[in-house]
Amino acid sequence: AQTVTQSQPEMSVQEAETVTLSCTYDTSENNYYLFWYKQPPSRQMILVIRQEAYKQQNATENRFSVNFQKAAKSFSLKISDSQLGDTAMYFCAFDFNRYQGAQKLVFGQGTRLTINP
Amino acid sequence: DVKVTQSSRYLVKRTGEKVFLECVQDMDHENMFWYRQDPGLGLRLIYFSYDVKMKEKGDIPEGYSVSREKKERFSLILESASTNQTSMYLCASSLLTSGSYEQYFGPGTRLTVT
Repeated sequence: AQTVTQSQPEMSVQEAETVTLSCTYDTSENNYYLFWYKQPPSRQMILVIRQEAYKQQNATENRFSVNFQKAAKSFSLKISDSQLGDTAMYFCAFDFNRYQGAQKLVFGQGTRLTINP
Repeated sequence: DVKVTQSSRYLVKRTGEKVFLECVQDMDHENMFWYRQDPGLGLRLIYFSYDVKMKEKGDIPEGYSVSREKKERFSLILESASTNQTSMYLCASSLLTSGSYEQYFGPGTRLTVT
């Protein structure tokens, strides 16, 4: 079975620091999509960043960037200059399989990130 | 602004009751999904639908059924609620595409079965 592992259940950093959230996965597929989703307290889950496995260049969205290591099956999220609004649950997710064009995402366990003032 | 709404934020039901969770999206998306979210387990896919009246089982379909009579609405049904179905339920939708995509999530329904 395809699996996704987030080994850090909780993390806490000071505002303006840089933090890296880890994610590893297991698959025999060669082409797939990778995502980081953010779930703020009592608010809806939103997409933070996405990466296509066949692209060698790491994705970047403003203060958020990924370190995608395909051979190591690792996909970490780096948040630079962290802000109080970054406090949230973060989920790593993979599109391993599709049925009739519908994506079947597999999610990691989540990392609860707290940014302290 | 894209929007996925769920009928209730909080719901308390008794064991054995039939429970309906409703989800509506206004983005004309083909795909809709139901997940349950539990601490330490992340999100797990219960059912999904890629078209009206079409449905497929996800990873944990036991004890659940779904209905999609209209494109914008996807319902999750607990035929006979049990305490182990106490959880947060999230609905999501996405476009039908072969490329990269985004799933849009609703606010969630926290269901407690007593």
